[in-house]
Amino acid sequence: GNSVTQMEGPVTLSEEAFLTINCTYTATGYPSLFWYVQYPGEGLQLLLKATKADDKGSNKGFEATYRKETTSFHLEKGSVQVSDSAVYFCARADSNYQLIWGAGTKLIIKP
Amino acid sequence: DAEITQSPRHKITETGRQVTLACHQTWNHNNMFWYRQDLGHGLRLIHYSYGVQDTNKGEVSDGYSVSRSNTEDLPLTLESAASSQTSVYFCASSEAGGKGTEAFFGQGTRLTVV
Repeated sequence: GNSVTQMEGPVTLSEEAFLTINCTYTATGYPSLFWYVQYPGEGLQLLLKATKADDKGSNKGFEATYRKETTSFHLEKGSVQVSDSAVYFCARADSNYQLIWGAGTKLIIKP
Repeated sequence: DAEITQSPRHKITETGRQVTLACHQTWNHNNMFWYRQDLGHGLRLIHYSYGVQDTNKGEVSDGYSVSRSNTEDLPLTLESAASSQTSVYFCASSEAGGKGTEAFFGQGTRLTVV
């Protein structure tokens, strides 16, 4: 089927730790891939995106690489901060330019 | 600056009442979407529109309706509110076309049906 699967949360890390949030997708073809972030009490906002295989999206120290071989788009950050605490959503575009969403991963960063 | 706004931010209503949630965007986007967000379910698409007079059902459309009379607005109506519709509702908009089209979200409406 067509879906997006991301690791369950919550993910709890200490400040300055390395972060990985896994995301895999199923689809025909090579859809655009996105990571959105939702800070407490707010709507979702785009964090980064990649539109073709091997592209790397990056923003605010976060990175994700479009891996067609493993159908993955894992989110990484080398050194997280307390302010990164939020819910992170992986998504892919479908043929109608809608977004298919993962369930979200809550990230908690402790000082 | 262009933006997308939802109102109200919080709403408490009684079972059986009709409720309308407003969504207004100044991006001049053709595409508009309504989602609900519930724990364990992520975002689920309720209805969407690709332009004026166009509306389509999403995966959880039962009990909801939308209308698109202009580019800027896509109000979501709950015809007869049920407790199962207690949720956080998000409106989003995007440009028509393009593989990397980004969706812009409102801040959400927390609806409680008692």
